[in-house]
Amino acid sequence: DAGITQSPRHKVTETGTPVTLRCHQTENHRYMYWYRQDPGHGLRLIHYSYGVKDTDKGEVSDGYSVSRSKTEDFLLTLESATSSQTSVYFCAISEDLSSYEQYFGPGTRLTVT
Amino acid sequence: DAKTTQPPSMDCAEGRAANLPCNHSTISGNEYVYWYRQIHSQGPQYIIHGLKNNETNEMASLIITEDRKSSTLILPHATLRDTAVYYCIVRVLNNAGNMLTFGGGTRLMVKP
Repeated sequence: DAGITQSPRHKVTETGTPVTLRCHQTENHRYMYWYRQDPGHGLRLIHYSYGVKDTDKGEVSDGYSVSRSKTEDFLLTLESATSSQTSVYFCAISEDLSSYEQYFGPGTRLTVT
Repeated sequence: DAKTTQPPSMDCAEGRAANLPCNHSTISGNEYVYWYRQIHSQGPQYIIHGLKNNETNEMASLIITEDRKSSTLILPHATLRDTAVYYCIVRVLNNAGNMLTFGGGTRLMVKP
């Protein structure tokens, strides 16, 4: 299995509080991605990174920000969590843009009450 | 990226071949067919991909029709551990963001 960890694995938080999810990789892959998975919507891209300090928006980026200060870490921040952000969040990595595969982490289940 | 259509669920007997179909009638010439699966409570896992030719790896075989409008993922000897949701995705390689968009997928239940 690719070396990808996510923390925390589970979190319950209240509406309006800030939340940061961490993705850590040991593969030295250039590309990192944050997805959310919801029933009826499948998997949707939030943000992605193509290098240290290089990030871009995905399909559902509103309400989320990201940062990548090191190759191995990609942080997803919800500045002010809302109930609509209750979801399972997956981090993924790929070696380069021409890579056919993305490797996914185990996921973080976030509940916003 | 083109959309795909998959049956919502399928059953397969353990040890038999599981054949999972996917329709992608609007696929364009530069779009690849990918298959991922997701075992309950885990992250998605890449299985195989192809453009035109049939492909085989240690996990599965991918059969793509000549007109590329449909494909079939074959798990030659399904085991209980193959019970998962299988996603067929078509997308352009090297598109900006290299994103994956999963639809509903097929829930495969392998039964003893």
